[in-house]
Amino acid sequence: GAVVSQHPSRVICKSGTSVKIECRSLDFQATTMFWYRQFPKQSLMLMATSNEGSKATYEQGVEKDKFLINHASLTLSTLTVTSAHPEDSSFYICSAVRWGELFFGEGSRLTVL
Amino acid sequence: AQKITQTQPGMFVQEKEAVTLDCTYDTSDQSYGLFWYKQPSSGEMIFLIYQGSYDEQNATEGRYSLNFQKARKSANLVISASQLGDSAMYFCAMREGPKGSNYKLTFGKGTLLTVNP
Repeated sequence: GAVVSQHPSRVICKSGTSVKIECRSLDFQATTMFWYRQFPKQSLMLMATSNEGSKATYEQGVEKDKFLINHASLTLSTLTVTSAHPEDSSFYICSAVRWGELFFGEGSRLTVL
Repeated sequence: AQKITQTQPGMFVQEKEAVTLDCTYDTSDQSYGLFWYKQPSSGEMIFLIYQGSYDEQNATEGRYSLNFQKARKSANLVISASQLGDSAMYFCAMREGPKGSNYKLTFGKGTLLTVNP
């Protein structure tokens, strides 16, 4: 079964609104989670490292005010795309480490109209 | 310079035949790990196989094997006896640093594999 779960799997929103995507570790505690972004037919690009109880670490070029990451508990990290625009439309996927192995969530497809 | 290079945007293979997907990497670290993932159209990332830089044997997992040539910095994925369900996007990825010290992965651009009946 799934080890890491994301919700929602698909979301459509209007331009200017904010969207929250959840990443949950199932049956294990994840002090660190990773958020990736994938444009259509392209590679996965690491956006940020989510650390439980502290601020996220963002990769170069990623707007931290645009992509808010909160890792408030050991099993949940959230990515909020603020004031979303059509260019934010993408596939967002998270990953978490369990027993030294990396597991990916199912991904969340965001479409901004 | 790109850290992971996959030079084949698309590959076609006949069902039951073997196929090799190319991957070259660039790192100055002595300790690193190489991964292959399969991504079907549903989007989930399915782990296939892992090779550590100090592993002397090529990794194998069922029908998947990794042809690791350290001097050439290549880590090609070989899929034997292709099945229709193997049609998907395949990504090569690298972790730099010792296992357990870093879980960030750098991905290549991927190869779209199509298995023909």
